Amino acid sequence: LAKTTQPISMDSYEGQEVNITCSHNNIATNDYITWYQQFPSQGPRFIIQGYKTKVTNEVASLFIPADRKSSTLSLPRVSLSDTAVYYCLALSQGGKLIFGQGTELSVKP
Amino acid sequence: DVKVTQSSRYLVKRTGEKVFLECVQDMDHENMFWYRQDPGLGLRLIYFSYDVKMKEKGDIPEGYSVSREKKERFSLILESASTNQTSMYLCASSTGQGYGYTFGSGTRLTVV
Repeated sequence: LAKTTQPISMDSYEGQEVNITCSHNNIATNDYITWYQQFPSQGPRFIIQGYKTKVTNEVASLFIPADRKSSTLSLPRVSLSDTAVYYCLALSQGGKLIFGQGTELSVKP
Repeated sequence: DVKVTQSSRYLVKRTGEKVFLECVQDMDHENMFWYRQDPGLGLRLIYFSYDVKMKEKGDIPEGYSVSREKKERFSLILESASTNQTSMYLCASSTGQGYGYTFGSGTRLTVV
């Protein structure tokens, strides 16, 4: 299982774009990059997943360079409700989710 | 949307008690998982199951067992609860493809 490394915490203000970078130097060929969001006292929630280049959905964008050794989760125009812990995981099909420490994002008014 | 329901939101048990945490999912998912979450330690995988009556140990199975008699239900059992098992317990399910896990809201267990 690929080990991922991401910042422990980040601060932002409402309306800003937030970029959280994740390092996964040992990612396997068949691993996908998957991001989850967790609010206090709730279970993690799937945000986005990608293999390479760029993926965008209604919540976020995910950028993965050609070497796939890192990825960046981009949250456009964050609001207070985006305050949460964000987890980056490298996951193969049928694999288990193994969580790291995640990035605690704090959005301030 | 897939729904994963954990039977209790909060639970207080005494040391030495046998504790059952129940989890039910409603989308016919093959895979089900139990995690515990503790401050500073993140989410750790306790047990998982890829099919009925099948179980696999995760990273921290000691002191726990599981039961999966029906596809939709996955139970976590604390054979003899101890204070170091005080934690938030999270159940999750996923399809066989292994992407897009759905988590329950969690059970906060306190062992006194």
